[in-house]
Amino acid sequence: AQRVTQPEKLLSVFKGAPVELKCNYSYSGSPELFWYVQYSRQRLQLLLRHISRESIKGFTADLNKGETSFHLKKPFAQEEDSAMYYCALIYSLISGYSTLTFGKGTMLLVSP
Amino acid sequence: NAGVTQTPKFQVLKTGQSMTLQCAQDMNHNSMYWYRQDPGMGLRLIYYSASEGTTDKGEVPNGYNVSRLNKREFSLRLESAAPSQTSVYFCASSPIILQGPNEQYFGPGTRLTVT
Repeated sequence: AQRVTQPEKLLSVFKGAPVELKCNYSYSGSPELFWYVQYSRQRLQLLLRHISRESIKGFTADLNKGETSFHLKKPFAQEEDSAMYYCALIYSLISGYSTLTFGKGTMLLVSP
Repeated sequence: NAGVTQTPKFQVLKTGQSMTLQCAQDMNHNSMYWYRQDPGMGLRLIYYSASEGTTDKGEVPNGYNVSRLNKREFSLRLESAAPSQTSVYFCASSPIILQGPNEQYFGPGTRLTVT
């Protein structure tokens, strides 16, 4: 069965420090992975997807199939990065359609 | 373009009461979803609708029913609320469900408390 694991509930860093939010997945098919972010009192929004290989707000994430990981990284954290971050995996439902399964989330707190 | 809207934003129910959470999207998306978000549990899929006229169970459907009223609207009903259904409920939509990857767009959430 598909599973997304985010081992850290909370990650606290100082402004300017590097950040790495960990995500590991388990899926028998070809994985398609995303990072979603939820700022305080706001809705979830897509941060980035692995197939785009893009950098959004200074964040990057590389899919490592050997380690089944999709860690989110940023070299210099900013206070405005403080938010809840969710790693998500697309998987196929019994009906044949697909949807997302989410990790439990990691709260990132960036202190001045 | 409002995106995905949800009503109400907050609701307090007593055990056994019923209510319907409303969701609408104006992006002409085919697929819609209902999730619940609980501390330490992340988001879990309750029901989804791949297209207008179809609905299917997700990971945690017990105690809920849904209706895809039309392409825009997807409602979630609690027939007899229980304290275990205290949660934040998110509705989401996406352009197409068959061919991934496709981004899901989320509503602002409904915070429900059942006493």
